[in-house]
Amino acid sequence: AQKVTQAQTEISVVEKEDVTLDCVYETRDTTYYLFWYKQPPSGELVFLIRRNSFDEQNEISGRYSWNFQKSTSSFNFTITASQVVDSAVYFCALSEPDRGSTLGRLYFGRGTQLTVWP
Amino acid sequence: DAGVTQSPTHLIKTRGQHVTLRCSPISGHKSVSWYQQVLGQGPQFIFQYYEKEERGRGNFPDRFSARQFPNYSSELNVNALLLGDSALYLCASSLLAGGNSPLHFGNGTRLTVT
Repeated sequence: AQKVTQAQTEISVVEKEDVTLDCVYETRDTTYYLFWYKQPPSGELVFLIRRNSFDEQNEISGRYSWNFQKSTSSFNFTITASQVVDSAVYFCALSEPDRGSTLGRLYFGRGTQLTVWP
Repeated sequence: DAGVTQSPTHLIKTRGQHVTLRCSPISGHKSVSWYQQVLGQGPQFIFQYYEKEERGRGNFPDRFSARQFPNYSSELNVNALLLGDSALYLCASSLLAGGNSPLHFGNGTRLTVT
């Protein structure tokens, strides 16, 4: 069964601290895609990154970095030098290859509420 | 370019009523998906439409239906509303229908059923 687990419900840090959001997934497929989305209080889900299962190279984008480890089925997200504007709910999601009625479907974790204090 | 737009932003309905939510995708995107997000949970997949055809359906009752129009906009309809239908309904569009095509979400419609 497809499943995404974000064990951290809430995290609070002080500005400039580094923070890592954990994501563990389950899937039977060898080809799949992983995503991170940010949801600010406005409600809109903002796309941050997509990673396919064949690309285990870690990625860095400014203060954001992602660590994909297939061996542990994890796709963790680190924010370096956090800022107040990073406060939001962050979702990890899994998508599987095109197949019947699950075409393009995203399976989301329950999200991690990140609060960055000034 | 405008992002995904949804209307209305907020809605209050009574149990048993019907509701229609609307979504306009990003220009050039042909796929529209609908998700339900209950407070404190991650979004749950309801439907996906691509080129005006239903391409995916989540585990929701038949009270939920949707359609996509020739201009690729979409409507989500919910009949016989229940209190448990209270949620944020998110629409997302993507260029293609495949699993690796990132979804771009709108701000959602917050539905409250009393």
